[in-house]
Amino acid sequence: DSGVTQTPKHLITATGQRVTLRCSPRSGDLSVYWYQQSLDQGLQFLIQYYNGEERAKGNILERFSAQQFPDLHSELNLSSLELGDSALYFCASSSGQPNQPQHFGDGTRLSIL
Amino acid sequence: LAKTTQPISMDSYEGQEVNITCSHNNIATNDYITWYQQFPSQGPRFIIQGYKTKVTNEVASLFIPADRKSSTLSLPRVSLSDTAVYYCLVGVYSGAGSYQLTFGKGTKLSVIP
Repeated sequence: DSGVTQTPKHLITATGQRVTLRCSPRSGDLSVYWYQQSLDQGLQFLIQYYNGEERAKGNILERFSAQQFPDLHSELNLSSLELGDSALYFCASSSGQPNQPQHFGDGTRLSIL
Repeated sequence: LAKTTQPISMDSYEGQEVNITCSHNNIATNDYITWYQQFPSQGPRFIIQGYKTKVTNEVASLFIPADRKSSTLSLPRVSLSDTAVYYCLVGVYSGAGSYQLTFGKGTKLSVIP
């Protein structure tokens, strides 16, 4: 058990809809990362937050947004969903220092019908 | 973003040493390499991380040559339970304490009895 909790585990919705994925980091970790994993693109870094502030941005679409709350949990919002957004979405957490590893949750599987 | 290349798959017999290489653009001294292991329906799990030369822990070794154009994950005496997908992650420093993160496409290791 990594200590990172992601909810829900599975989500099925339709094109054009909006969903919110939630992540609770490991106790004591200040940084949260979001990744998208699909068969054709592999693991893609989306965005990182550190203690409530955005720290780094990767290949995150404008239709996607994230935030980290004062209690350090994070949410990833996906809107105007398209079929191609179907993927596994992982959250990871770390202390925030570059020499410390990230610990991943078991992901949310998003299916767009 | 760094470009990374890993072999798609590898086979090995139980008890053998396995070396998986990740090729990447030149990375600077502030940049780091991390390796993760992923089983089906689970999030990636940290194996080892390093910046240069050689790092060893209880499960693996990581070799980064002086030219820093590649890194090699070494798994000693693999067992059937090491059958998984292995990913390299390159963290490229982008200033203000932040890193751009790029995963390789993954190497599927199959351990044969």
